[in-house]
Amino acid sequence: QVHLVESGGGVVQPGRSLRLSCAASGFTFSSYAMHWVRQTPGKGLEWVAVIWYDGSNKYYGDSVKGRFTISRDNAKNTLYLQMNSLRPEDTAVYYCTRAAPLFDYWGQGTLVSVSS
Amino acid sequence: QLVLSQSPSASASLGASVKLTCTLSSGHINYAIAWHQQQPEKGPRLLMTLNSDGTHRKGDGIPDRFSGSSSGAERYLSISSLQSEDEADYYCQTWGPDIWVFGGGTKLTVL
Repeated sequence: QVHLVESGGGVVQPGRSLRLSCAASGFTFSSYAMHWVRQTPGKGLEWVAVIWYDGSNKYYGDSVKGRFTISRDNAKNTLYLQMNSLRPEDTAVYYCTRAAPLFDYWGQGTLVSVSS
Repeated sequence: QLVLSQSPSASASLGASVKLTCTLSSGHINYAIAWHQQQPEKGPRLLMTLNSDGTHRKGDGIPDRFSGSSSGAERYLSISSLQSEDEADYYCQTWGPDIWVFGGGTKLTVL
């Protein structure tokens, strides 16, 4: 049974950093590309970033390019999102998802709130 | 530019059927999509992946009341025998070269 569990969210001041984690289980993590997707309160879904199964390629949405970095540790079955220079508009619930290649499993999300 | 368009809202009565639409942008009419459901206060879950020829594959545990079809640039999600738990937001999603895209979502109200 596929299971994705995000952690690391919280309240942070503008300009600061935060690192999110996503622990994966129930499948061969190293065989799948993984994504981060976010949802602003009361709004729709926005794709954030993707990392290839082996980490060889990474792509980012325009709104986070240059500030966020996606990474993974296949030995630990864990996906990460390093978020730097955070802005109030980054406030959202962040989900990790498995890509096959469309998103077939989602985590429950972790809330990031950027506020002074 | 790869864009998915959805109506913001839809409604139907308990026990009735409803058909939601997702429209692909020009030049992308052969793309496959996924339909995701997001119930209130929950994370999204995959309902199905849907190809341009109308063939589809459902996610784990998705009941037969949910089905998909395609026509040109349109991708449809049909729900029959509507139940109260079907009241949710429904998103379509696709991908292109180095980009993954969501539609704006349709909020379905079950009357």
